[in-house]
Amino acid sequence: GAVVSQHPSRVICKSGTSVKIECRSLDFQATTMFWYRQFPKQSLMLMATSNEGSKATYEQGVEKDKFLINHASLTLSTLTVTSAHPEDSSFYICSAFRTGREAFFGQGTRLTVV
Amino acid sequence: RKEVEQDPGPFNVPEGATVAFNCTYSNSASQSFFWYRQDCRKEPKLLMSVYSSGNEDGRFTAQLNRASQYISLLIRDSKLSDSATYLCVAPRASGGTSYGKLTFGQGTILTVHP
Repeated sequence: GAVVSQHPSRVICKSGTSVKIECRSLDFQATTMFWYRQFPKQSLMLMATSNEGSKATYEQGVEKDKFLINHASLTLSTLTVTSAHPEDSSFYICSAFRTGREAFFGQGTRLTVV
Repeated sequence: RKEVEQDPGPFNVPEGATVAFNCTYSNSASQSFFWYRQDCRKEPKLLMSVYSSGNEDGRFTAQLNRASQYISLLIRDSKLSDSATYLCVAPRASGGTSYGKLTFGQGTILTVHP
C-alpha cells in the first residue's frame, strides 16, 4: 500500500485563488520531504525541500512567496500555490525518504488553473 | 552537461522483444542510481536501484559503468504492461539527503505493441 499519501489528486481552481496540497507519510516519520513539479512531456523538477520545524529551501527559479511550504509535523508537509495562474497548471508530486529504503512518492496532484 | 541525460526515445517494440535504455550522469561522486517507471498521469514508482556494477530482477537488468558514467536498463521478453515512461534518476549533485533529493532524466517512453 501507499506509504506517502497526497491530497487532493486533482484540483481545478480559478485564476487568482490559492490551492493547498497535502503530503503525508503514513507509517514513518519524515523530517524532510520534497516537492516536485512536472509539466506535460517533461520530467520531474525539484521545487523545494520541506524541512520539519524550519524553513523550506527552494531551488533556483522557484518563488518562495508563491509556493508556500509548511512542514509542521513529522508526517505532514503542505504546499500552497498562492494567487495561482494558468501557467502554474502542472502535476505536483511530493516525496519522502524512508531511512534505509528508497524515496516514496505521493500519488501526485494535477492542478488546473482556469 | 545535464546532471542526468537519457535516450529520448520513444521506443516502439513488439511483445517479446528486448529493449535497452541508456543514461549518462555528470556527478562522478554519485554512489547510487535508480530506474523509476512512470505511467501516464501517475507518480513514479521505483523499478530498480543500482549501487554497484549492476542489478538484475527477473526480466530487468540494470548496469552501471562508473568509468564512463553510464547506466543502462535492459528489458527482456517485453510485455504489453511494460509500456510506460522510464526515468533514470540520480541523487542531486549539490548534496542534501542522498536518497531524498533526486535529479530525474527526461524519461524514455516505451510502447510495447502486440
